Amino acid sequence: QQQVKQSPQSLIVQKGGIPIINCAYENTAFDYFPWYQQFPGKGPALLIAIRPDVSEKKEGRFTISFNKSAKQFSLHIMDSQPGDSATYFCAATLSRDNYGQNFVFGPGTRLSVLP
Amino acid sequence: DSGVTQTPKHLITATGQRVTLRCSPRSGDLSVYWYQQSLDQGLQFLIQYYNGEERAKGNILERFSAQQFPDLHSELNLSSLELGDSALYFCASSPVAAGVEKLFFGSGTQLSVL
Repeated sequence: QQQVKQSPQSLIVQKGGIPIINCAYENTAFDYFPWYQQFPGKGPALLIAIRPDVSEKKEGRFTISFNKSAKQFSLHIMDSQPGDSATYFCAATLSRDNYGQNFVFGPGTRLSVLP
Repeated sequence: DSGVTQTPKHLITATGQRVTLRCSPRSGDLSVYWYQQSLDQGLQFLIQYYNGEERAKGNILERFSAQQFPDLHSELNLSSLELGDSALYFCASSPVAAGVEKLFFGSGTQLSVL
């Protein structure tokens, strides 16, 4: 019940394309869903996040779509650029008190944007 | 730069040995997480500390242990190393406060067990 599934495992798009990465979770108690971006040799960095009380969140070229009933959420990258080539991780967590949260990560999607 | 410092960046050792990975969280962050990243397993949560106390435990082997010191830096100890322990180990810290849930990751320690 703690698992987060992510697909596809890898994705190749042309510059300007709209890659879509999908994630699914099982634990309905999860209430915060972030996406992390990781470049080679670096640690993951927070990209965008959403709470289940909204169906969509947009920040620049990155959009999260959230379907609470289906327990699914996805990341869309508009007008993708070669600089977006990275590994993307979805995650889910259960907000607790002020002592921290336990994040469950998907297995990652390696995105390559061709020039 | 996330503000989280991990040392060493690379570590090469032999099976059966013991190593210590070190993490300095961002200034003011009380919570420290350890993750293991391997090619086939993605990011696996190992353990979390908050202000010196263990708060959550994930898939951490008994051969592994961690602690968070009064100055908030943390160490992950890996003993009786096996070939399968070769992975990238990340530390992350979090500014734990109401309504804020962000993990700031260090650049990781690449462990190679030969």
